[in-house]
Amino acid sequence: DAGITQSPRHKVTETGTPVTLRCHQTENHRYMYWYRQDPGHGLRLIHYSYGVKDTDKGEVSDGYSVSRSKTEDFLLTLESATSSQTSVYFCATRDSLNQPQHFGDGTRLSIL
Amino acid sequence: DAKTTQPNSMESNEEEPVHLPCNHSTISGTDYIHWYRQLPSQGPEYVIHGLTSNVNNRMASLAIAEDRKSSTLILHRATLRDAAVYYCILRDFFFNYVGGSSNTGKLIFGQGTTLQVKP
Repeated sequence: DAGITQSPRHKVTETGTPVTLRCHQTENHRYMYWYRQDPGHGLRLIHYSYGVKDTDKGEVSDGYSVSRSKTEDFLLTLESATSSQTSVYFCATRDSLNQPQHFGDGTRLSIL
Repeated sequence: DAKTTQPNSMESNEEEPVHLPCNHSTISGTDYIHWYRQLPSQGPEYVIHGLTSNVNNRMASLAIAEDRKSSTLILHRATLRDAAVYYCILRDFFFNYVGGSSNTGKLIFGQGTTLQVKP
């Protein structure tokens, strides 16, 4: 599809540990997004990027940070994971704002 | 952002047409109507979008009411692979063309309609 790879696909970790999720794209898309999906909430935007080193907060950004040092990679970091951050995380990209978003297959994160 | 209302679930038989409704009574004149779907254990995928006129593509058709307060996604011949959650989403036209860092291009997902397709 849009050449989006999320890693890891599954992770189990303990409360208080740092966690980094990676989103890698091969399409040279400018915009990248991190969403989380939880039962009863649908997908919610965490952070997004509109270019290299240009990022901003979404609606549920508390406890998360992001970095984008090159076009193809968008990293999501949980500095100190909590059980409330157990979720499925999706990365998305788009070439321009009048194009559809393309999504990765998600990372299932469990924090015990 | 304007809100959409969809039925929680629908059922269809394989090879029959499916009409998935979406109500958006507070839609503004600059809102595009987007449809995405999410297959089990996958990320959402784009299906179709439109503004005022009906739209067709290889995946589906989108019928938009004349007053734009509702729309219907039409799958002409459902297959087992079409079993998914279908999301109807409104996006401001001006998000497409206004520049600046405040223009997120984000999508706001509701609960969607879970479509079951029976063989």
